[in-house]
Parts: sequence; structure tokens; C-alpha cells
Amino acid sequence: QKEVEQNSGPLSVPEGAIASLNCTYSDRGSQSFFWYRQYSGKSPELIMFIYSNGDKEDGRFTAQLNKASQYVSLLIRDSQPSDSATYLCAVNAYNYGQNFVFGPGTRLSVLP
Amino acid sequence: GAGVSQSPSNKVTEKGKDVELRCDPISGHTALYWYRQRLGQGLEFLIYFQGNSAPDKSGLPSDRFSAERTGESVSTLTIQRTQQEDSAVYLCASSLAVVGSNKNTEAFFGQGTRLTVV
Repeated sequence: QKEVEQNSGPLSVPEGAIASLNCTYSDRGSQSFFWYRQYSGKSPELIMFIYSNGDKEDGRFTAQLNKASQYVSLLIRDSQPSDSATYLCAVNAYNYGQNFVFGPGTRLSVLP
Repeated sequence: GAGVSQSPSNKVTEKGKDVELRCDPISGHTALYWYRQRLGQGLEFLIYFQGNSAPDKSGLPSDRFSAERTGESVSTLTIQRTQQEDSAVYLCASSLAVVGSNKNTEAFFGQGTRLTVV
């Protein structure tokens, strides 16, 4: 059973702080890793994806991947109230044409 | 189209009726996924189509659920004899993913169909 785990939260951070969202996965065959943001009542939207160990930065967002520890994280710098949403971690083993496995999501609340 | 399109946006049906939900993926996307999301819950995988391969139906919760996709075009998810527990948002996503390639595996979601069974 392939599993992706996330802390359900809510994670509350003050405006301007760094929000750190964590995700672990069970399948060592996983090769693509994604972070989606889902606002209440809306569908998930892709924020970032990462394939290789290390950090990947895009604006205020940094994804970090450690395949040895089966761990992927998302850092949001200078958090804004508009970042308040549920963040979904997803993994995929593209070599096997497998479907995405999503975590349950972490609810983030950025307090003004 | 520019994005994944789902129809209808909302559907209210009586218990016991059949419903058909439609997903129009981004043009050229080989992979298509259906998920169910109950209120306040996470995404529940239903079915996955990849090109002309046999679909992965491992997530379908019962034999009342079925889905079809012709080639790399539109997909329909059919729920027969609907039950109140089927009430949820049904999300479709597509990607350019090709088995064996690490490129273009990110998936893009439609706006979902909110199904209410009364």
C-alpha cells in the first residue's frame, strides 16, 4: 500500500514568517513529487514539482526533497494571508506509469 | 482547450438515479485521472487512464462506478443507482505523462463536479 503522510494541521504562522510543510512517502519507487494548493471550495492547483534530491526554488516557494529519508517539504517565505489554504503533497512513479498518490493535506493559516 | 473542463459544474440527483460526469482534458494530454473529494476530506483516487493502456480501476469503490475514455479524448464517469454517500466533488485531472519518461508528469485539475444525492 503506497502511502503519503502529512500533518493535517492546522498550521498557523504569522504574516511574514516562514511556513514549513512536511510530507513523507512510503514507496521508494516514487520519482516525481508535487505540491498542490487548494483553497476552500476550489480545485487543487499545482505550485511546484521536484524530481531530484535537494532544493528547488520558485519565488517565495522552496521545495526540498530527500529520497533517502523519503521526505519532501515545502517552505513558504514571507507568508501572506492569501497563502492560507490546504497544501497537498503528491507522489508519482512515472517509470511505471502509476497514478498520483496524494497525502491528506495540511491546512495552513497565515495570521495577519 | 486551455484547461481541463468538467461538466456539469453541479448536479443534484435523486437517490437511485444514474449520473454521468464528463471530463474534457487538456488537448494532447495522454494521462487522465478521476478523484473524489468528500467535504473536508482529502482526494480519493478512483481511476487512471494512460494512453491506450488498460485503465487502473483499483480505486473505484463499487461496481456502481465505471468510467470510459476513448483514446486521448473525453472521459465520462458513470455512477449507477446513486446513494447519498456518493455526494462529493468529483475532480478530473490530466497530464502529458508518458510511461518511462520523467518529463511533463505534473497533473492539472478541472474545476470539479459537485454531486449531491438527495
